[in-house]
Amino acid sequence: GDSVTQMEGPVTLSEEAFLTINCTYTATGYPSLFWYVQYPGEGLQLLLKATKADDKGSNKGFEATYRKETTSFHLEKGSVQVSDSAVYFCALSDRGTSYDKVIFGPGTSLSVIP
Amino acid sequence: NAGVTQTPKFRVLKTGQSMTLLCAQDMNHEYMYWYRQDPGMGLRLIHYSVGEGTTAKGEVPDGYNVSRLKKQNFLLGLESAAPSQTSVYFCASALTRVNTGELFFGEGSRLTVL
Repeated sequence: GDSVTQMEGPVTLSEEAFLTINCTYTATGYPSLFWYVQYPGEGLQLLLKATKADDKGSNKGFEATYRKETTSFHLEKGSVQVSDSAVYFCALSDRGTSYDKVIFGPGTSLSVIP
Repeated sequence: NAGVTQTPKFRVLKTGQSMTLLCAQDMNHEYMYWYRQDPGMGLRLIHYSVGEGTTAKGEVPDGYNVSRLKKQNFLLGLESAAPSQTSVYFCASALTRVNTGELFFGEGSRLTVL
């Protein structure tokens, strides 16, 4: 079945450091890919998305590129801030098999220290 | 701008008790979802609905029932609560099919079963 794998956390970075959170997926069809973010005590919210191969999603300084050849969608940010401390979830929705559903990875907790 | 509202936000139950979680959205969304969030496991889909009067099973439906009698409401029921159902429950909704659209989440309901 479809699945999403993320790098283990927690990740702790100093302010202004470069961030990469790895995400790989398995899908039988042609998925759309997403990153959602969950701030402490809140629900998830969409950070960025990409719906086809080689698309780059971007928002709030975060970027991720849909790499079909490596089945990956890694999240990057050039300079993190304390306010970026949150849990980040990679997710997919597979048009082939789970058209109406979003499948989430386990999440990666990020802490940014001043 | 209420968005997605979940009630109650906190609840403690004894094993064998029943309860209902209510999710209400004011965005006229067709699609609604119930997820549970457990440490290290991300979000897992319990049940979902693609329109008023419809429901479907997700990844972990056992022990739960749902109803979507009105478009704006999606109820999640536990008939006989078990300690394994201790979790944080999130409701989400979407206007369009989620492979291209965005999920909007509530703030979560924390349930403890003793």
